[in-house]
Amino acid sequence: EVQLLESGGGLVQPGGSLRLSCAASGFTFSSYAMSWVRQAPGKGLEWVSGISGSGGDTYYADSVKGRFTISRDNSKNTQYLQMNSLRAEDTAVYYCAKISSTSCYRPVDYWGQGTQVTVSS
Amino acid sequence: EIVMTQSPATLSVSPGERATLSCRASQSVSSNLAWYQQKPGQAPRLLIYGASTRATGFPPRFSGSGSGTEFTLTISSLQSEDFAVYYCQQYNNWPPGTFGGGTKVEIK
Repeated sequence: EVQLLESGGGLVQPGGSLRLSCAASGFTFSSYAMSWVRQAPGKGLEWVSGISGSGGDTYYADSVKGRFTISRDNSKNTQYLQMNSLRAEDTAVYYCAKISSTSCYRPVDYWGQGTQVTVSS
Repeated sequence: EIVMTQSPATLSVSPGERATLSCRASQSVSSNLAWYQQKPGQAPRLLIYGASTRATGFPPRFSGSGSGTEFTLTISSLQSEDFAVYYCQQYNNWPPGTFGGGTKVEIK
């Protein structure tokens, strides 16, 4: 059974940093691309970032480019999202998402339960 | 960036009735279109991929169609468990994998 368990969310002041983690199990982690997708309160889904199975290719939404960094450790079956220079508009539930292929150009086939990130003073 | 537009924003349907949801892309995405179902307080679930292939666990009353810029999700006979928000997503032009704004299917 595929399981994705996010951690690292919380309350942070504007300009601060957070590091999200997503521990994966139930599949061969290195064979699949991964993504982060967020959902602001009462809003729709927004794709944030993606990383290929090898970790060699990374992609970012314009809204987070230069502030967020996605990475993965295939030896630990874990992906990360380092979020710097956080803004109020980054407040959202962040979902860890498994892509159905080794490249990012495919749909999400499994989602974690999400972790709340709140940016407020 | 491709813009995905879903309509209507809210669809009021009685149980047992048919629901038709639309998703339009600002430029062709071929058949690289997915639909997701999200219930309150839950993560989304993959429902349809490749515009028309149903994902594991969903019954045949759910069907997807379309290609290019126009797509449709049809629920042939709504059951109580189908009331949710449905999102489309294109994965043809990456990044980003843009989502539509969602259609909420509510009980009439």
